[in-house]
Amino acid sequence: DTGVSQNPRHKITKRGQNVTFRCDPISEHNRLYWYRQTLGQGPEFLTYFQNEAQLEKSRLLSDRFSAERPKGSFSTLEIQRTEQGDSAMYLCASSFRPAGGADTQYFGPGTRLTVL
Amino acid sequence: KNQVEQSPQSLIILEGKNCTLQCNYTVSPFSNLRWYKQDTGRGPVSLTIMTFSENTKSNGRYTATLDADTKQSSLHITASQLSDSASYICVVSVTYNQGGKLIFGQGTELSVKP
Repeated sequence: DTGVSQNPRHKITKRGQNVTFRCDPISEHNRLYWYRQTLGQGPEFLTYFQNEAQLEKSRLLSDRFSAERPKGSFSTLEIQRTEQGDSAMYLCASSFRPAGGADTQYFGPGTRLTVL
Repeated sequence: KNQVEQSPQSLIILEGKNCTLQCNYTVSPFSNLRWYKQDTGRGPVSLTIMTFSENTKSNGRYTATLDADTKQSSLHITASQLSDSASYICVVSVTYNQGGKLIFGQGTELSVKP
């Protein structure tokens, strides 16, 4: 399977604990995105990497959230001191933008986080 | 404010029937518009992508239209199948100097009944 993969698929944690999610993009894709999706809503943009550089962060990304893409390949999203409001599906997407064209983002299956 | 609004919020149709989903957007600077299909518990999958100059794009039984003047798009599904039951999300891409991001609508939940 050469699609975007995310691990774990499900995570249940207690309030106040730290959690870390991993995303492995499609290998030739240089762009990687993180989104958060709550029930009945479309995904909300969190942050975006081009290679290893984090180029944009949403205001949704509070100081408890940190994302890294150290080698320009896989990425991790860490949430510190989780709160019940952090419960959501966390989606990762990757893309490669051709010259003069639009890139198509390919989404992973997501990590569903439940904070008790 | 960049926004994407979809209607209806939910829709129930009988298998074999056609349906049309609507999307209105206020996004600038506009780069392209996409329709995604998202099955329950899965990540979104791209159906179509249209740039400013395109006004229609088909993918099998899915046909998307774009009117960039009125900032409206529609997704028409022909001869619906049970497997079409999913959330359909309209997404508009905003492009900046260093990249871009997607603005998602809240989705239309389609249920196809036998």
